Amino acid sequence: DTAVSQTPKYLVTQMGNDKSIKCEQNLGHDTMYWYKQDSKKFLKIMFSYNNKELIINETVPNRFSPKSPDKAHLNLHINSLELGDSAVYFCASSQTHTYEQYFGPGTRLTVT
Amino acid sequence: GESVGLHLPTLSVQEGDNSIINCAYSNSASDYFIWYKQESGKGPQFIIDIRSNMDKRQGQRVTVLLNKTVKHLSLQIAATQPGDSAVYFCAETFQGAQKLVFGQGTRLTINP
Repeated sequence: DTAVSQTPKYLVTQMGNDKSIKCEQNLGHDTMYWYKQDSKKFLKIMFSYNNKELIINETVPNRFSPKSPDKAHLNLHINSLELGDSAVYFCASSQTHTYEQYFGPGTRLTVT
Repeated sequence: GESVGLHLPTLSVQEGDNSIINCAYSNSASDYFIWYKQESGKGPQFIIDIRSNMDKRQGQRVTVLLNKTVKHLSLQIAATQPGDSAVYFCAETFQGAQKLVFGQGTRLTINP
């Protein structure tokens, strides 16, 4: 019944590793997003996909690569993890031409 | 540039009192504003929105006021309850942008 789900909820890894976060929505939305929330709770958009096509890429290092296999899924792969990547990553979805976004529960990434 | 800020990072109110959370925005082209509530360990949740052609909108126990002259947005919560304790974010967007710009957030604490 969960509208927007993410896995894993927690991810602890070492610098230099590569990791992926997965997101799925069952709302029938056609636009999905990735946000990063830092330790001060600042929430900033990273990427947005509409019907599997990238429409927003907000000056994110190319170590971050989103992939949308279909419009219900948006995954985030991060290469060569750095300490500064530690944050909570939120996936969200919305219907095209609407502004109300539904957020997932977040993935807390800790890089040591 | 695009930025949304909040006047107060923390706010404490007594249970049953009304609370007002303020937000300043800088993009005069923004035409849509949303308030989100984020409880501890969860993703942001939509509360209420307002279009730039309105100056007030009411929901259940919440009212959003928009003053475009001074680029100010506020969220009023009536008769606060313990469940209102959360971080509240304002967000703005403008037509065609397909993205939300979030403010820093205000932590609201309800005292018994």
